Amino acid sequence: AQTVTQSQPEMSVQEAETVTLSCTYDTSENNYYLFWYKQPPSRQMILVIRQEAYKQQNATENRFSVNFQKAAKSFSLKISDSQLGDTAMYFCAFPEGQKLVFGQGTRLTINP
Amino acid sequence: DAMVIQNPRYQVTQFGKPVTLSCSQTLNHNVMYWYQQKSSQAPKLLFHYYDKDFNNEADTPDNFQSRRPNTSFCFLDIRSPGLGDAAMYLCATSRDDFDYTFGSGTRLTVV
Repeated sequence: AQTVTQSQPEMSVQEAETVTLSCTYDTSENNYYLFWYKQPPSRQMILVIRQEAYKQQNATENRFSVNFQKAAKSFSLKISDSQLGDTAMYFCAFPEGQKLVFGQGTRLTINP
Repeated sequence: DAMVIQNPRYQVTQFGKPVTLSCSQTLNHNVMYWYQQKSSQAPKLLFHYYDKDFNNEADTPDNFQSRRPNTSFCFLDIRSPGLGDAAMYLCATSRDDFDYTFGSGTRLTVV
């Protein structure tokens, strides 16, 4: 079974700072996807960014980027110029068959 | 906009009284999922439908059932809710390319 580990239960930074959330995973597959999801207090899970393992280039979506280290099975999320609206739970996720397996989550708070 | 809609947003039910949560989608995705999420925890998959094929997780209690009458709708039935079943229930959909979309969730309270 695939496992996904997020080692930072909570993080807190000041607005406009850069923050990095870590995620490691375990798989024997060679081609796969990895995801970061954001779940604000309103509770709807929103896709932040998606990485395809066969692509060496790290995915980027505006202020969000990943550092994907396939050999190390590491998939960290960097949020640049953090904003108050970035306050949320962040989940790293990995597909196992058709279903998503989630990490334990990191509660990120952006302080004014 | 194409989306995943869950009704109701909040549901209060009595201990032991059957309750049904609903999910509908306009994305025409072939896979639909039900996740249970307790406070400050990761979502836990209960079951999913791949087209009409039902796939139950090994540790999903028998108290939880699901129906998918057509592509657009999926229901979660809790036959005899206990206090431990109070949680947020998330519906999600996907296609074969792992394009997942989540609904806003139904928060279930058991009194």
